[in-house]
Amino acid sequence: GDSVTQMEGPVTLSEEAFLTINCTYTATGYPSLFWYVQYPGEGLQLLLKATKADDKGSNKGFEATYRKETTSFHLEKGSVQVSDSAVYFCALSGDSNYQLIWGAGTKLIIKP
Amino acid sequence: DTEVTQTPKHLVMGMTNKKSLKCEQHMGHRAMYWYKQKAKKPPELMFVYSYEKLSINESVPSRFSPECPNSSLLNLHLHALQPEDSALYLCASRGSGRGEQYFGPGTRLTVT
Repeated sequence: GDSVTQMEGPVTLSEEAFLTINCTYTATGYPSLFWYVQYPGEGLQLLLKATKADDKGSNKGFEATYRKETTSFHLEKGSVQVSDSAVYFCALSGDSNYQLIWGAGTKLIIKP
Repeated sequence: DTEVTQTPKHLVMGMTNKKSLKCEQHMGHRAMYWYKQKAKKPPELMFVYSYEKLSINESVPSRFSPECPNSSLLNLHLHALQPEDSALYLCASRGSGRGEQYFGPGTRLTVT
């Protein structure tokens, strides 16, 4: 079945560092791909999405490109801030039923 | 507006109590979801309503009873819960897009 694999955390970076959180997937057909963010004590927020190969999703300085050849959707940000500290979930939605398949989540800690 | 609201924000209940969680969205979305999330884990799907009809029940114990009174509202009735049911309960809705779901802030439930 469909699955999502994320790099394990926590990932600890200094403020203004470059961020990459790896996400790879296994799916039949042409899934949609998402990054969600969960700040401490809050619900999940849709950060960005991509619905077809080579699409780039972007929001709040974060970017991710749908790479079908490598089945990846890595999250990047050029300069992180302390306020970016959160848990980041990669997810996919398959062709058939639109249920979300989740990665395990990656906790990001940004130190001043 | 992509807001999903949930009440209450926090709930403490004993194992013999009956309580309800409420969720509301005014985006015209016709699919609504209940999830359970344990700390540091991705959300686990519990129920899916599509056009106000229960379409998916992920083998959830009968002490959880969902209800969809209309297209904007979703309730989760709780009765005779166990301490292991303590978790963050998240509501989400999905529109016509390819799988993206919008989440509420959640209800933090503690069963004593």
